[in-house]
Amino acid sequence: NAGVTQTPKFQVLKTGQSMTLQCAQDMNHEYMSWYRQDPGMGLRLIHYSVGAGITDQGEVPNGYNVSRSTTEDFPLRLLSAAPSQTSVYFCASSYQGGDGAEAFFGQGTRLTVV
Amino acid sequence: SQKIEQNSEALNIQEGKTATLTCNYTNYSPAYLQWYRQDPGRGPVFLLLIRENEKEKRKERLKVTFDTTLKQSLFHITASQPADSATYLCALDADSSYKLIFGSGTRLLVRP
Repeated sequence: NAGVTQTPKFQVLKTGQSMTLQCAQDMNHEYMSWYRQDPGMGLRLIHYSVGAGITDQGEVPNGYNVSRSTTEDFPLRLLSAAPSQTSVYFCASSYQGGDGAEAFFGQGTRLTVV
Repeated sequence: SQKIEQNSEALNIQEGKTATLTCNYTNYSPAYLQWYRQDPGRGPVFLLLIRENEKEKRKERLKVTFDTTLKQSLFHITASQPADSATYLCALDADSSYKLIFGSGTRLLVRP
């Protein structure tokens, strides 16, 4: 059981480049989210999805796009990378029921924009 | 504005003692609150969830309390061990929309 898988684990981009961070889950969870984590600021929600075809913005959506064409996949696109997007990115999935909305996180993608 | 606050200073305690971490929030009315553990270089791992109608919840050496009047949750680790050293994050649902909002976390160091 793989859980939540993020790729790549590390990435260096030049300012202005675009890229897609991949996230896949094999638990058939309805809810998926993207967070970024910066020192001293905790996890901040970028975008989230409550099901295939449905996405919404979180706290810090600017500069990022998402889509959810399948239950399993929730890619995060950086349109034109900026140094301010240097961060660690975490994808999470969750479900409703049982203990209620426990989130399962991937291992993270460490992104550096130079 | 809506805020979730955790003590940004590290908590340094002796092995065997009880660690108590605090999570305060303002301008939210969460249906539940969660606690996660995060080790360096890893994603957060779920520990406990407590609902708004529950005062206290326990799991092995962990205990969480939830006071919706004070808008505060306390997270206790009894008989702490060096392996408990990590950053602990609290999170709550924003507007019952399944959007989890996190505090910045408190680092716990347990000395042998």
